[in-house]
Amino acid sequence: GEDVEQSLFLSVREGDSSVINCTYTDSSSTYLYWYKQEPGAGLQLLTYIFSNMDMKQDQRLTVLLNKKDKHLSLRIADTQTGDSAIYFCAERALSGGYNKLIFGAGTRLAVHP
Amino acid sequence: NAGVTQTPKFRVLKTGQSMTLLCAQDMNHEYMYWYRQDPGMGLRLIHYSVGEGTTAKGEVPDGYNVSRLKKQNFLLGLESAAPSQTSVYFCASSQPLRADSYNEQFFGPGTRLTVL
Repeated sequence: GEDVEQSLFLSVREGDSSVINCTYTDSSSTYLYWYKQEPGAGLQLLTYIFSNMDMKQDQRLTVLLNKKDKHLSLRIADTQTGDSAIYFCAERALSGGYNKLIFGAGTRLAVHP
Repeated sequence: NAGVTQTPKFRVLKTGQSMTLLCAQDMNHEYMYWYRQDPGMGLRLIHYSVGEGTTAKGEVPDGYNVSRLKKQNFLLGLESAAPSQTSVYFCASSQPLRADSYNEQFFGPGTRLTVL
């Protein structure tokens, strides 16, 4: 079945790089996403990657996709306190006749001085 | 441009009571969704709508009903609330899903519901 897994917590020092990992099961997924949720708020799209790409870079964010291992990662360079949030990995999958997003449980990133 | 708004922000119900959560979007999106978020779990899709007057079941539809009478509004109803429905509820909207587009879903701020 469809499943997206990610570790629940990550703690990093300010200025270091953060790497959040995710594994997914549906090899036919066309798009994979990273959403960010700040305290008391809804989810906001951070970045996405199309399944025919291996890497995508956007300022401090680098997304790596390993389709063979069904592994997705998000690297945040020079992590700041404002990056403290929950990060959700999601895959777009066709299931039950409709396209849907399948979310992981979210990784809580804590940035400390 | 308010995006996606949800009312109320918080609510406490007793078991057996009913309530309706309202979602509104001003982006003229065709698709709208209701999710629930529980600790240690990802968002799970309750119901969704691909256009005015149409609704469909998601992964966890039991105990909920929805209506999409107007394009900009998507209502989620709980007819007889149960403690298992204690959760944070998120509404989202998007353009129709296309194979050649990443189709961002825009989320509301959430409604925190507690059922005693």
